[in-house]
Amino acid sequence: KAGVTQTPRYLIKTRGQQVTLSCSPISGHRSVSWYQQTPGQGLQFLFEYFSETQRNKGNFPGRFSGRQFSNSRSEMNVSTLELGDSALYLCASMGGPSTDTQYFGPGTRLTVL
Amino acid sequence: GENVEQHPSTLSVQEGDSAVIKCTYSDSASNYFPWYKQELGKGPQLIIDIRSNVGEKKDQRIAVTLNKTAKHFSLHITETQPEDSAVYFCAASTGNYGGSQGNLIFGKGTKLSVKP
Repeated sequence: KAGVTQTPRYLIKTRGQQVTLSCSPISGHRSVSWYQQTPGQGLQFLFEYFSETQRNKGNFPGRFSGRQFSNSRSEMNVSTLELGDSALYLCASMGGPSTDTQYFGPGTRLTVL
Repeated sequence: GENVEQHPSTLSVQEGDSAVIKCTYSDSASNYFPWYKQELGKGPQLIIDIRSNVGEKKDQRIAVTLNKTAKHFSLHITETQPEDSAVYFCAASTGNYGGSQGNLIFGKGTKLSVKP
């Protein structure tokens, strides 16, 4: 099976802009979680989507949002970018209602100038 | 909410030695504890995981132990090799949805260096 894919891999934006990142889970997986990784804060949970519904959310401002499509692909959006949003954004997919193993993609490196 | 602390932050060993990384968690409801390895430029890769109904799990050179009473779990790597050099993360989660856990709480990571 193909792994989790994320596009784009690298992105440079300026403050105030918005950005959309995409994640395609492993075939058959219905859960997609998003994480932010920074040197200072480490890996932090953003939100999780399952069957097109957000079922869990971390402690991030409303500028961070996401959605999931019927084919389980997910997008996350960050509006009004701030310098502190520069990070590696990782998505992870998980399959089935009774499994709990998350498989991560390679991440999207976002730089905000 | 859950908090996971990981020690040490850096660890340097000689090839062939053992390496041990320890984590503690705060939420007694946590019941799933995975360990991930992250190499430069890549996403975290699951190397082993353990559930709260098991005290120890082993997979070749890697083992994880869990002490629910003390709320801590550890990763043990034996016969380390240079290719084991990476950043290792522990994580904890609770089963919220029929056994699934979509939100992992991570430790800050341990940078392991294995010297040839």
